[in-house]
Amino acid sequence: AQKITQTQPGMFVQEKEAVTLDCTYDTSDQSYGLFWYKQPSSGEMIFLIYQGSYDEQNATEGRYSLNFQKARKSANLVISASQLGDSAMYFCAMRERWGQAGTALIFGKGTTLSVSS
Amino acid sequence: NAGVTQTPKFRVLKTGQSMTLLCAQDMNHEYMYWYRQDPGMGLRLIHYSVGEGTTAKGEVPDGYNVSRLKKQNFLLGLESAAPSQTSVYFCASSYGGRASYEQFFGPGTRLTVL
Repeated sequence: AQKITQTQPGMFVQEKEAVTLDCTYDTSDQSYGLFWYKQPSSGEMIFLIYQGSYDEQNATEGRYSLNFQKARKSANLVISASQLGDSAMYFCAMRERWGQAGTALIFGKGTTLSVSS
Repeated sequence: NAGVTQTPKFRVLKTGQSMTLLCAQDMNHEYMYWYRQDPGMGLRLIHYSVGEGTTAKGEVPDGYNVSRLKKQNFLLGLESAAPSQTSVYFCASSYGGRASYEQFFGPGTRLTVL
């Protein structure tokens, strides 16, 4: 079973509009972290926002906010006032225990966002 | 600070050849990771290390070996490359294993196996 599910392969939005990218996760851990990364066409991975499993308030970073609904196990990324430079692939990831001693980020398959003028 | 660097940036191999990808970080991070990215698959964890001299398997470890002889370096080896290993490889590091610790990524290595 997928740990991180991103159901939208592609999203299209016009400049200045808000857009929500969906992410659901599956874990039995009580302590975990949820991350969103942006990957532009140049290929680098850019950290956007983090939400801890014990955080009661939704995380915000500038135009990015994370709509965290713990009971539903969802961590949707909201981008307000989209810009052309937001066109990229967006990955949702969860940091949880992996193996006997470590933790690692596990990624969803990504959503491609296209912003038009 | 250079952050996380990867060598080489691009490489073309023939089936059966071997190679080593080098990852280096200058942030004194304990944890280091290797991922591969394939179209439509997202990033998948190959191997990781929680400290110098330790390594562990990730989600897709077959066909790869790793070593962490120095804290700042994490090497990924392909002993006998196969076309299925054509991918973009990302190295990452984090300060530790806490859920809140961000993973910092290198720029990636694009590997083609013919």
